[in-house]
Amino acid sequence: KNQVEQSPQSLIILEGKNCTLQCNYTVSPFSNLRWYKQDTGRGPVSLTIMTFSENTKSNGRYTATLDADTKQSSLHITASQLSDSASYICVVSPSGGYQKVTFGTGTKLQVIP
Amino acid sequence: DTEVTQTPKHLVMGMTNKKSLKCEQHMGHRAMYWYKQKAKKPPELMFVYSYEKLSINESVPSRFSPECPNSSLLNLHLHALQPEDSALYLCASSRYHDRPPSYEQYFGPGTRLTVT
Repeated sequence: KNQVEQSPQSLIILEGKNCTLQCNYTVSPFSNLRWYKQDTGRGPVSLTIMTFSENTKSNGRYTATLDADTKQSSLHITASQLSDSASYICVVSPSGGYQKVTFGTGTKLQVIP
Repeated sequence: DTEVTQTPKHLVMGMTNKKSLKCEQHMGHRAMYWYKQKAKKPPELMFVYSYEKLSINESVPSRFSPECPNSSLLNLHLHALQPEDSALYLCASSRYHDRPPSYEQYFGPGTRLTVT
């Protein structure tokens, strides 16, 4: 069964600090992995998309890494801001079945002043 | 235009009402999706349309009826809903990347549905 597990479930950090969110998956065969940011009551917004051949990708203060061998990904947020408070969801797509993706349960991040 | 729009933003309906949710994208994407999301849970896939044809129905109750009038529009018709159907309903569309080969879903802002 395809699964995506994220840790931690929730995280509170001080403004300006860095943090790293983890994602482990069992989806196979693998096509790509995406990190989304979702504000409460709003739709997810894509931060990064990575395929098996990519090890790292940055988008501003967000840097995602992917280890396709161990099936692990991380999202590193640098110099956090209050606006980073949201849920971060890891989504993995299988190859061939592009229409059905597997969502992680998300990490709820709260940045406090 | 690089966004998916959804209307209305909020909807309150009684269990005997009939209402519709609308979704629109002008990015030329040929796959469109409906998801249901309960609080603190990941989105759950409901329907997928590919080239305006229903390709996936995740055993959704018939009180939810999807429709894809054309490649840019996706509707979700609601009838005789239950209070447990209250949730955030998300629409998404996807495109294909050539290099590297992959698909990416773009989500709309969602419709917050409350069934009373």
